[in-house]
Amino acid sequence: DVKVTQSSRYLVKRTGEKVFLECVQDMDHENMFWYRQDPGLGLRLIYFSYDVKMKEKGDIPEGYSVSREKKERFSLILESASTNQTSMYLCASSRSRTLPGANVLTFGAGSRLTVL
Amino acid sequence: DAKTTQPNSMESNEEEPVHLPCNHSTISGTDYIHWYRQLPSQGPEYVIHGLTSNVNNRMASLAIAEDRKSSTLILHRATLRDAAVYYCILRPYSGAGSYQLTFGKGTKLSVIP
Repeated sequence: DVKVTQSSRYLVKRTGEKVFLECVQDMDHENMFWYRQDPGLGLRLIYFSYDVKMKEKGDIPEGYSVSREKKERFSLILESASTNQTSMYLCASSRSRTLPGANVLTFGAGSRLTVL
Repeated sequence: DAKTTQPNSMESNEEEPVHLPCNHSTISGTDYIHWYRQLPSQGPEYVIHGLTSNVNNRMASLAIAEDRKSSTLILHRATLRDAAVYYCILRPYSGAGSYQLTFGKGTKLSVIP
């Protein structure tokens, strides 16, 4: 089975800190995604990447950046964390760029970030 | 973007079939219908997807209306482990929007022992 591993399940950070959320997938998937999930708002796409060193903005990229230096690893960076970035962050991956709408997404277990 | 409408919540008795409806009246001809579910404290999990024909897999069945304006996820025998939020999502098969998976609020399924 494809596995998507997020480095931390729970993090507590202070306002202004730089935060790194790491995600690794082990099945050679081309596409990787970062979502945040908030009550009443569903999942919202922050950034995605369809290749190494490539990134595309999702619906809510403000306040975030990403890095994909290796195919298996996709990092989400909060340059200066703020309290409104307290959320559940979910990483996902999918296999290929061919007919991406048919691709299945495999999600990690999530990282719950609290910014004080 | 084409949107979906699902009931906020449903209940089922354990070991009975469950039919979870989804309306997508503005679906386009190139949209796949995807279903995911999210168990408490976990990331979403793929359930099934289809384009025009009904689909079956080990987890569930997907029944797609002939006009494709609605679909139904069928769990043949609900177990307590099936208690989750179920999301019905449309994705164009290609193009920029195809990379995105826009989740709505879904249907919260409760399974009664």
